[in-house]
Amino acid sequence: KQEVTQIPAALSVPEGENLVLNCSFTDSAIYNLQWFRQDPGKGLTSLLLIQSSQREQTSGRLNASLDKSSGRSTLYIAASQPGDSATYLCAGSGNTPLVFGKGTRLSVIA
Amino acid sequence: DGGITQSPKYLFRKEGQNVTLSCEQNLNHDAMYWYRQDPGQGLRLIYYSQIVNDFQKGDIAEGYSVSREKKESFPLTVTSAQKNPTAFYLCASSIDWRDSQPQHFGDGTRLSIL
Repeated sequence: KQEVTQIPAALSVPEGENLVLNCSFTDSAIYNLQWFRQDPGKGLTSLLLIQSSQREQTSGRLNASLDKSSGRSTLYIAASQPGDSATYLCAGSGNTPLVFGKGTRLSVIA
Repeated sequence: DGGITQSPKYLFRKEGQNVTLSCEQNLNHDAMYWYRQDPGQGLRLIYYSQIVNDFQKGDIAEGYSVSREKKESFPLTVTSAQKNPTAFYLCASSIDWRDSQPQHFGDGTRLSIL
C-alpha cells in the first residue's frame, strides 16, 4: 500500500530565502504526483501536477521534481514571501486514488 | 465560474443522529471523492466515485455512506455508526481518476459533536 511521508513537518524561514520541501513514497508504481497548498480552514489548491512520464513541472517561483526510482519528490520555492505561508501537501496515485502525506507547515517571516 | 461547492460550512451532530454533507460540482467531472482530515494529519479517502451510479470504498469507509445519482452531486452521510465523526471533510473532483489530471477541492465542511 502506498505511503507518503513529508519532511520537515514544519519550517520557518525569513522572507527571500529559497527553500525545499521533501516528499517520499513507498511504491514506485506511481502514476502521478501532485503538490497542493492548504490555507488554514480551507480546501486544497493544486499547485503542480507531475505526470508519470515527466520529471518536473514549473509554475512561477515553484518547481517540483519527481524521481520515481528513488521514490522522492521535491518542491522548490524561490524567493519566499510571507504570502507563501501555508501547509503544503504532496499526494501520489498509482492504481488507487491519491494518497496524501501529512504536509509541511511553512511560515515565511517578513 | 466552475468549481466545487460544499455545504454547510459548519455542521453539528447530536448523538445517534445521521447527518448529510452536500457536495456539488459544475466542472463536468466524472470522478468525485470524499476525504476526511484530522488536525495535523493528511487527507484520508472515505469514498470515491468514478462515474454516476457507481462508487467504491476508500480507506476509512466504515460509518459513512454515499450516493451518486447525478454527475454533479456526491453527498456524504455520516451515520450514527461513526463514533468519532469530528473532523474537516473535503470533497474533490477530477476529470477521470485514472488520467493524470489534477483534483479540484471544495472549501470543506467542519463537523462537530454536540
